[in-house]
Amino acid sequence: GESVGLHLPTLSVQEGDNSIINCAYSNSASDYFIWYKQESGKGPQFIIDIRSNMDKRQGQRVTVLLNKTVKHLSLQIAATQPGDSAVYFCAESRDDKIIFGKGTRLHILP
Amino acid sequence: EAGVTQSPTHLIKTRGQQATLRCSPISGHTSVYWYQQALGLGLQFLLWYDEGEERNRGNFPPRFSGRQFPNYSSELNVNALELEDSALYLCASSWGGSTEAFFGQGTRLTVV
Repeated sequence: GESVGLHLPTLSVQEGDNSIINCAYSNSASDYFIWYKQESGKGPQFIIDIRSNMDKRQGQRVTVLLNKTVKHLSLQIAATQPGDSAVYFCAESRDDKIIFGKGTRLHILP
Repeated sequence: EAGVTQSPTHLIKTRGQQATLRCSPISGHTSVYWYQQALGLGLQFLLWYDEGEERNRGNFPPRFSGRQFPNYSSELNVNALELEDSALYLCASSWGGSTEAFFGQGTRLTVV
């Protein structure tokens, strides 16, 4: 199957610190990117999205950055909380389908 | 408002059998996506249905098929099951092809 690549499979962050989850994509024609959060035993949950005509978008405690030059996407979570512990997937919209990466597991250290 | 619902939650089949998985999208959504999530792997795109038609499919063999009904609910059928088909199958719905998609809780298929 197809997938968007991710730099790190696991990320451990101290509670209260900021988390940065990175993602690389391969198709420069992709025009829409999404971050999903998947908690254990649940389906992926939409966090934030960004169109290719933007380089930054902010939500509540989350920011997505898009660098089209190097085809890189990142998700920043401010003041990480225990409830942020999950697997995070980046996804790109390409050829009328949404392609997901393998995911990064975020561990919150007390 | 009800979210995306999938049934059954768990399904156990033996090799060679057929499995049917069902998905009801959020009311008003016309697009349904199917994904396979094998243990430890990301979500692999399977199929996309919109307005009753198959719009796109991923790199899966023809024994993976499905359909979308007039009420926009969808079925995923997997024929001639293989052990490697054991996975969580997720359904998502949206208003269109490239917009925010909402996921169901998935069907855990185990092939023994």
